[in-house]
Amino acid sequence: EAGVAQSPRYKIIEKRQSVAFWCNPISGHATLYWYQQILGQGPKLLIQFQNNGVVDDSQLPKDRFSAERLKGVDSTLKIQPAKLEDSAVYLCASSLGDRGRETQYFGPGTRLLVL
Amino acid sequence: AQSVTQLGSHVSVSEGALVLLRCNYSSSVPPYLFWYVQYPNQGLQLLLKYTTGATLVKGINGFEAEFKKSETSFHLTKPSAHMSDAAEYFCAVKRAGGTSYGKLTFGQGTILTVHP
Repeated sequence: EAGVAQSPRYKIIEKRQSVAFWCNPISGHATLYWYQQILGQGPKLLIQFQNNGVVDDSQLPKDRFSAERLKGVDSTLKIQPAKLEDSAVYLCASSLGDRGRETQYFGPGTRLLVL
Repeated sequence: AQSVTQLGSHVSVSEGALVLLRCNYSSSVPPYLFWYVQYPNQGLQLLLKYTTGATLVKGINGFEAEFKKSETSFHLTKPSAHMSDAAEYFCAVKRAGGTSYGKLTFGQGTILTVHP
């Protein structure tokens, strides 16, 4: 089966610009996650969707980050305006559901550099 | 709140030697535990997971891990390292119940280097 798809793979922008990332989860997966991975650290959850509803966005900087999941399938994550500290890899993951034992499958990530 | 501590940000072994990557967790409820591997410029791939049952878990590529509740540990081992094992490894914990139980909390990662 096809894995989690993300685009673009790389993005370079200047601070205060806006940027958007796209994720297509594995077919049939109801739960979708966006993680931020800063260099030298483990991934940190930004937002979790169950179908098209938000389950957890407690660590999403809502003054500049937004995310949506249209029709419970694809998702976009937007940063506006970007700051230098937003330089990171943004990982999308999906799972069949949100029960603890289910495996999360990760996409290749989008590497963002803010200059 | 949950947390994960991976002892050693860098581990170096010779090809054919034992690989031991250490992970300790903190969780207020019984946890589910995971090891993921990340190759350069790629996403995370699941190596193995512990949910319930047998505490010794076998995963892909010859890796295994043992859940030790008394030590709050979930160390990853492989008897004989291959050059292809060079990557970054992440231990992660998830709540077994309650709210936000889909959320994975990751350790800071351990970079494994394998020397010929």
